[in-house]
Amino acid sequence: DVQLVESGGGLVKPGGSLRLSCAASGFTFSYAWMSWVRQAPGTGLEWVGRIKSKADYGTADYAAPVKGRFTISRDDSKNTLYLQMDSLKIEDTAVYFCTRIYSGSQYGMDVWGQGTTVTVSS
Amino acid sequence: QAVVTQEPSLTVSPGGTVTLTCGSSTGAVTSGHYPYWFQQKPGQAPRTLIYDTKYKHSWTPARFSGSLLGGKAALTLSGAQPEDEAEYYCLLSYSGDRPVFGGGTKMTVL
Repeated sequence: DVQLVESGGGLVKPGGSLRLSCAASGFTFSYAWMSWVRQAPGTGLEWVGRIKSKADYGTADYAAPVKGRFTISRDDSKNTLYLQMDSLKIEDTAVYFCTRIYSGSQYGMDVWGQGTTVTVSS
Repeated sequence: QAVVTQEPSLTVSPGGTVTLTCGSSTGAVTSGHYPYWFQQKPGQAPRTLIYDTKYKHSWTPARFSGSLLGGKAALTLSGAQPEDEAEYYCLLSYSGDRPVFGGGTKMTVL
């Protein structure tokens, strides 16, 4: 079965850092483009960023609110996607979902993880 | 950044038909926006229902269909079931810009 499992969420103070991980299984991770989506409490979904496969140069792009503070990376040898979050703000509090981008799509997702909760609070 | 609009809430009777729409502040939604539709139930991760306007995944119930309607993307549910009660989100892609989710439609089956 195709599966994405996030981990690494927790409570962090404003200005702090956190790294989320997403372990992928059931598909050839190295071929996949991946993305992160977040959902603040009681609100809708927000696209965070995307990383392409190494074959497509492994480039990442980000939503404006996180650009320059968040970094998406991947370790294909470990079938794992990462989200490094620095200079965290209260408004970054959310459930963070790891997603697989559907083959051939630029941004659309087909598989979602269960999410990991990040709380930024003093 | 574009704003993607959805009905905040809709109600459908069991067995009934309902259409949710997804509009864009930049103008008419076309197939070039590659509309996606997602279903999210309370406490769960979203699940992808429709991709590229009208295509279904293997897990998408046959009663869901996607289309373009009146300059918007549309998700139609025909023969609503109690288990279809959920929040529904659309996603539009914009050439040269970042993708944008709609605000979601809370659908009640009552």
